[in-house]
Amino acid sequence: DQQVKQNSPSLSVQEGRISILNCDYTNSMFDYFLWYKKYPAEGPTFLISISSIKDKNEDGRFTVFLNKSAKHLSLHIVPSQPGDSAVYFCAAVDNFNKFYFGSGTKLNVKP
Amino acid sequence: GAVVSQHPSWVICKSGTSVKIECRSLDFQATTMFWYRQFPKQSLMLMATSNEGSKATYEQGVEKDKFLINHASLTLSTLTVTSAHPEDSSFYICSARSLDFPGPNEQFFGPGTRLTVL
Repeated sequence: DQQVKQNSPSLSVQEGRISILNCDYTNSMFDYFLWYKKYPAEGPTFLISISSIKDKNEDGRFTVFLNKSAKHLSLHIVPSQPGDSAVYFCAAVDNFNKFYFGSGTKLNVKP
Repeated sequence: GAVVSQHPSWVICKSGTSVKIECRSLDFQATTMFWYRQFPKQSLMLMATSNEGSKATYEQGVEKDKFLINHASLTLSTLTVTSAHPEDSSFYICSARSLDFPGPNEQFFGPGTRLTVL
């Protein structure tokens, strides 16, 4: 049973607009969440993270929001750029330091 | 820095043969390496965790005799799929962590290996 879910397999956004990628989880014991970006033929690279004690973390154009009561996190990219086109994975970490990944969302930013 | 490579990037083999996949940390010493498997349109699923010089810890449902993991040095871990069958066809990806990078976000991924078993 998947404990981390990304229900949108793909998302298409116009350059300059906001991209919002969503992720839901079921295990309330997860205490750390991460977003990874993956280009074809490359491994996932770390993008941004958030601890369960926070509800927002911002790094430049990227902001991650965490809603613990809804067990939901989202990644906002604004403004979106064509170079942001990639597959985005969310991941959650339990207190044994084990990672659980979502299935990914393919973002396409159109020029 | 913190580059992880995998070899080969893709492999096709006949059913019943064994395939070895290498995972190397190129510019750091990886005290822990992880092996994941990804089916199409599904998430990365952790198969096993290996610490240098000790036996790998396998996740529930992963056959340790089928997926042999060796972490013989601080820069190399290998995954051998023994007696491969078509259902083993998948995307295998490794990641590595170091004591020098203790944060949970400090897990560096290789580019993955596409295995196709005919």
